[in-house]
This record gives sequence, C-alpha cells and structure tokens, in this order.
Amino acid sequence: DIQMTQSPSSLSASVGDRVTITCRASQNIRGHLNWYQQKPGKAPNLLIFGASSLQSGVPSRLTGSGSGTDFTLTISSLQPEDSATYYCQQSYDTPLTFGGGTKVEI
Amino acid sequence: QVHLVQSGAEVKKPGASVKVSCKASGYSFTGSYIHWVRQAPGQGLEWIGWMNPNSDGIKYAQKFQGRVTLTRDTSINTAYMELTSLTSDDTAMYFCAREDRSMVRGILTLLLDGWGQGTLVAVSS
Repeated sequence: DIQMTQSPSSLSASVGDRVTITCRASQNIRGHLNWYQQKPGKAPNLLIFGASSLQSGVPSRLTGSGSGTDFTLTISSLQPEDSATYYCQQSYDTPLTFGGGTKVEI
Repeated sequence: QVHLVQSGAEVKKPGASVKVSCKASGYSFTGSYIHWVRQAPGQGLEWIGWMNPNSDGIKYAQKFQGRVTLTRDTSINTAYMELTSLTSDDTAMYFCAREDRSMVRGILTLLLDGWGQGTLVAVSS
C-alpha cells in the first residue's frame, strides 16, 4: 500500500497568515494527489485534484503543487472559515490511501 | 449537482452485521463508481472499496476482504455496504462518495467529488 505522510499534524495561525501543509507519498504517484477539507461532524469536501487543479467553488487563496512524492497545499491568506482538518489522498493505486490529516486552528 | 443521502445511525452488538445505504441523485447513478470510506472517532480516513453501479466490478481493500459486500439497486439509484462480524474496532462514521475522473496535465486522475453525510455505526455489547 502507498503510505501518505502529512505534516504538520496540527497548526495554529492568525487570520491573514500564509499556511502550508505538506504531504509525502511512499512512492512516486505522479500527479495523482487530491486534497480534502473536513469540518467537525461533516463529510470531507474536495478542494484540489490532480495535485494542482482547484475544484469548482473553492476559493483561489488555496493552491496545490507538487508531483512525484512531495506535495503541498497552501492557503495564501488564512480566513476564519478555513478552520478545519485537511487530508491528502493518493489516487494512483488502490487501496486509495489518505494522509493522517492536518488540523488548522485560527 | 451530486447528492448522496445515507441511511441513519446504527447500534450493533459484536458479531452482528450492518447494511448502510447511499441514495444518489443529481447525476447518472450508473455513470460513476461509488466508493466507501470510514472514519473512526477522532481518527483519519480509511478506504473500504469501490463499486461500479453499471457492472459487477468491485474492489475491496484487503483489510475488509471477506467481511464487506458492496451492492447496488439501479432501479432506485442506491448503493449498499454490508459489513459482517462487527467488533468494537468497526465503530466509525461510514461515508459513501462518488468518483469522478478528470484530465489534469495529461493525466487522467480520480477524485471523490460528492460525499454522503455519513452513517454512524456503533458496535457495543
């Protein structure tokens, strides 16, 4: 199975800060990397697919980058509504696997 | 717009089985795979398997092989996940999700773009 490792596991930042979350795959997954946001008691919500494509309706302050084994999710200017847990997920091979999550607190 | 509605919470005893439903609307049910993902309390996301509503195509995570069965009823646009021999370790929120595929920089990539609200399955004696 492909292991996905996220860091940090949690972070605290202020409104307006630039925040970066990293995700590393245990093997080359090319660009098959998605990012999801999950708020308490809710289902995950797709933010970015294919490592860098923004899902419709997702604010442009979120960007994704990377390829191969190393990926990043950046929030350029943190907003109160960004408080959530973020997960990366590889879709290169089954079983689909997720990172352990990054909890972002404002 | 993809809309997935799951069945309600379940409380089961160890050794029992549970069957969770996922009713789809807003898109062609037979046109997209359905995935199942679970999340234990306070934990991360764990993939269970996928099902092709348009065929008998199914893939299970090895961890659940022999205990999980994914089925569908295309007449009512509903997918099902049945998990048997439940233990306390199966206590979790179970989600269904729709698969879509998109071409990104020349790569056809898989994404989960619509999720059910989740079904809590609690296993307790």
